[in-house]
Amino acid sequence: RKEVEQDPGPFNVPEGATVAFNCTYSNSASQSFFWYRQDCRKEPKLLMSVYSSGNEDGRFTAQLNRASQYISLLIRDSKLSDSATYLCVGGNDYKLSFGAGTTVTVRA
Amino acid sequence: NAGVTQTPKFQVLKTGQSMTLQCAQDMNHNSMYWYRQDPGMGLRLIYYSASEGTTDKGEVPNGYNVSRLNKREFSLRLESAAPSQTSVYFCASSPRWGEQYFGPGTRLTVT
Repeated sequence: RKEVEQDPGPFNVPEGATVAFNCTYSNSASQSFFWYRQDCRKEPKLLMSVYSSGNEDGRFTAQLNRASQYISLLIRDSKLSDSATYLCVGGNDYKLSFGAGTTVTVRA
Repeated sequence: NAGVTQTPKFQVLKTGQSMTLQCAQDMNHNSMYWYRQDPGMGLRLIYYSASEGTTDKGEVPNGYNVSRLNKREFSLRLESAAPSQTSVYFCASSPRWGEQYFGPGTRLTVT
């Protein structure tokens, strides 16, 4: 079983819509979580860390549910430039486990 | 600042050939990593180096070797390439836990 699992999507949403998706993790010892963004045929880039109490960064909100072992990402007021694959990442010590990604396509 | 640079960008090898992927960072980070990315698999850690002079195996080290040449440079060597090593390879460096900066990747095909 993969340590981090994501719905691959794609999530196709109109501009201005809200889109949300989750990822689940199997290692209850995982301490830290992150969302990375990867554009087509480009390198991943850190989008935001995920804190236990939940956190926002502009139009992006991340939540962590340790009891059910999932994290979520919500994007409000979607822009065309939000079209990308979002990678869920969790881990501890020096080991980060990357999910395979959820693809979001925002259409005009 | 160039960030993390990787060479080459593309490479085609025949089975059994060897090659070295180069990675350099100019951000003065201690930690560096090598990943491979395959469709539907997510990024998988091959090797990492927590600091200059140390290297450790990751999730999928078989068939690879690494050298942390100095603080800036971390190379990945394939001694005898196999078709299963066809992948996109990313190097990354990190100033702190979880925050990784990736290079543009090397697309490797082994025939």
